[in-house]
Amino acid sequence: NAGVMQNPRHLVRRRGQEARLRCSPMKGHSHVYWYRQLPEEGLKFMVYLQKENIIDESGMPKERFSAEFPKEGPSILRIQQVVRGDSAAYFCASSPEVARYQPQHFGDGTRLSIL
Amino acid sequence: AQKVTQAQTEISVVEKEDVTLDCVYETRDTTYYLFWYKQPPSGELVFLIRRNSFDEQNEISGRYSWNFQKSTSSFNFTITASQVVDSAVYFCALSEAQNQGVKLIFGQGTELSVKP
Repeated sequence: NAGVMQNPRHLVRRRGQEARLRCSPMKGHSHVYWYRQLPEEGLKFMVYLQKENIIDESGMPKERFSAEFPKEGPSILRIQQVVRGDSAAYFCASSPEVARYQPQHFGDGTRLSIL
Repeated sequence: AQKVTQAQTEISVVEKEDVTLDCVYETRDTTYYLFWYKQPPSGELVFLIRRNSFDEQNEISGRYSWNFQKSTSSFNFTITASQVVDSAVYFCALSEAQNQGVKLIFGQGTELSVKP
């Protein structure tokens, strides 16, 4: 399967723990995007990364959230000291280039549940 | 501001009925791009179609068709002879350039339920 791979599919954390969500883009794609889908809502942009660079993090909460896309390995979305309000589905998307006409191809998402 | 509105939260139809999902957008750009995505009950997001603002020709793909009307800022999606497998949440989206990148602005989604 050459699609966008996200893991884990489901993640359960207790309040105060850390959550790490992983995303491997499609082969040949060097642009990665993270979106969050809160219950009963559409998807909201969080961050856009290229290899080793955060290009746009305007949608990321200012505290506790961080993202990286290292030279080797998957992109990581990290949430520290999780709270109940972080419960959501987190989707990663990738594209071969950054352009408005370029469709973004999504992974299956990670469903994060906070106990 | 860029915005996408899907006024229909939920639609329920019986199999073989035709159904149209509405999408209205707002944009300040003269050239823009619209997308439809499908989210079946299993949860993944599947890209369906992209539409350029400078191409007003409607598109048909099997039972799916899309009606782009620049005059009313709408990009509606019709499923002909619906099937149970069409049951999903459908999202309309608009791409926006921002901070040397691009992001998708999604509507709230329309949940389509096709009953046998």
